[in-house]
Amino acid sequence: EVQLVESGGGLVQPGRSLRLSCKVSGFTFDDYAMHWVRQAPGKGLEWVAGISWNGESRGYADSVKGRFTISRDNAKDYAKNSLYLQMNSLRHEDTAWYYCAKGTTGWYRGAFDIWGQGTMLTVSS
Amino acid sequence: EIVMTQSPVILSVSPGERATLSCRASQSVSSNLAWYQQKVGQAPRLLIYGASTRASGIPARFSGSGSGTEFTLTISSLQSEDFAVYYCQQYDNWPRFGQGTKVEIK
Repeated sequence: EVQLVESGGGLVQPGRSLRLSCKVSGFTFDDYAMHWVRQAPGKGLEWVAGISWNGESRGYADSVKGRFTISRDNAKDYAKNSLYLQMNSLRHEDTAWYYCAKGTTGWYRGAFDIWGQGTMLTVSS
Repeated sequence: EIVMTQSPVILSVSPGERATLSCRASQSVSSNLAWYQQKVGQAPRLLIYGASTRASGIPARFSGSGSGTEFTLTISSLQSEDFAVYYCQQYDNWPRFGQGTKVEIK
């Protein structure tokens, strides 16, 4: 079964850092691009960051560029295949549900066909 | 940056009726356009990609059309489970979503 499971969300103070993880299973991880998408409470979807199949290309929304870093572990041990989002200098406006999503191609030119259940980040003092 | 604009913001439809949702891109995205459905408390689900190809397991009552800058998602006969928010997304450049259309029961 194809599955994406996010973790790492929670309550954090403004200016602090946090790392989100997304554990994947059920597909050949290193064939596909992966993405993070967020959704502020009551708002629409916002693409945050994407990473190519081999990790060599990355893209970011302007709202997080320079603060967030996306990475992936294409481990030979499939049980360890994971996607990450390192978030630094967090702001109130980063408060949102964060979803990881699988691309349908190796880089950004593809739809997102599998989504995790999301992890909630609240940035508040 | 490509801006995606969806209309209407809210669409009130009776069960069994046809629903037509629109999505416009600020510049051509070719056929690199997807539609997603999101129900309350759930992650989005891919419905359509390549502007008109149904994703795996998506019922035939969902259809997509268009290319370039104008796109349409049509639900031919609304079922109770179809009342949700629908988003378009372009992936011709860095991915961008529209603001969403809420399909509610009339």
